[in-house]
Amino acid sequence: GQNIDQPTEMTATEGAIVQINCTYQTSGFNGLFWYQQHAGEAPTFLSYNVLDGLEEKGRFSSFLSRSKGYSYLLLKELQMKDSASYLCAPMDSNYQLIWGAGTKLIIKP
Amino acid sequence: GAVVSQHPSRVICKSGTSVKIECRSLDFQATTMFWYRQFPKQSLMLMATSNEGSKATYEQGVEKDKFLINHASLTLSTLTVTSAHPEDSSFYICSARDVSKDYEQYFGPGTRLTVT
Repeated sequence: GQNIDQPTEMTATEGAIVQINCTYQTSGFNGLFWYQQHAGEAPTFLSYNVLDGLEEKGRFSSFLSRSKGYSYLLLKELQMKDSASYLCAPMDSNYQLIWGAGTKLIIKP
Repeated sequence: GAVVSQHPSRVICKSGTSVKIECRSLDFQATTMFWYRQFPKQSLMLMATSNEGSKATYEQGVEKDKFLINHASLTLSTLTVTSAHPEDSSFYICSARDVSKDYEQYFGPGTRLTVT
């Protein structure tokens, strides 16, 4: 079957760094997306990885290891507005995104 | 970046009535659009995949006669919730795929449906 494993909830301090891990199993693989979703809002795109390695985009970076079925999202210089759910979504062989429940990130001052 | 609009953003309807939700890709053509439903504190649940000019593909457990999907053009897909009931109250989100950009899905802002 297909599944996503992410921590349910994480807490971090404003200004700090946090890493959200994701392991996945899919039928085929066509890349992995990370989305941010604030409560009551639709998801917004953060990053896309299709090759192994680290992709850096401002305060956010995403890493992928296809052989390990593993990805992480790294958030630096945390701000209060980063409090949200972070969704790891791999794309299967049919180019369908597979969704888990996401990780709720709580930022404390 | 690519923009997807959704209308209405909020709708309250009476039980037994039908509600239509529109999803538009504003600055790109979307041959494929997706309809999701999300209940509070739960993950996104894919309801159906909508392909322009053909019938939608529904996920298991989603009633195609209750959730009518029409994808008449490359920029518009509609979801009609027919004979709505209180249990259909949810957050409905559409997304559109831009095949020229690594199959990334762009999400609309969502529609909050409340059935009384």
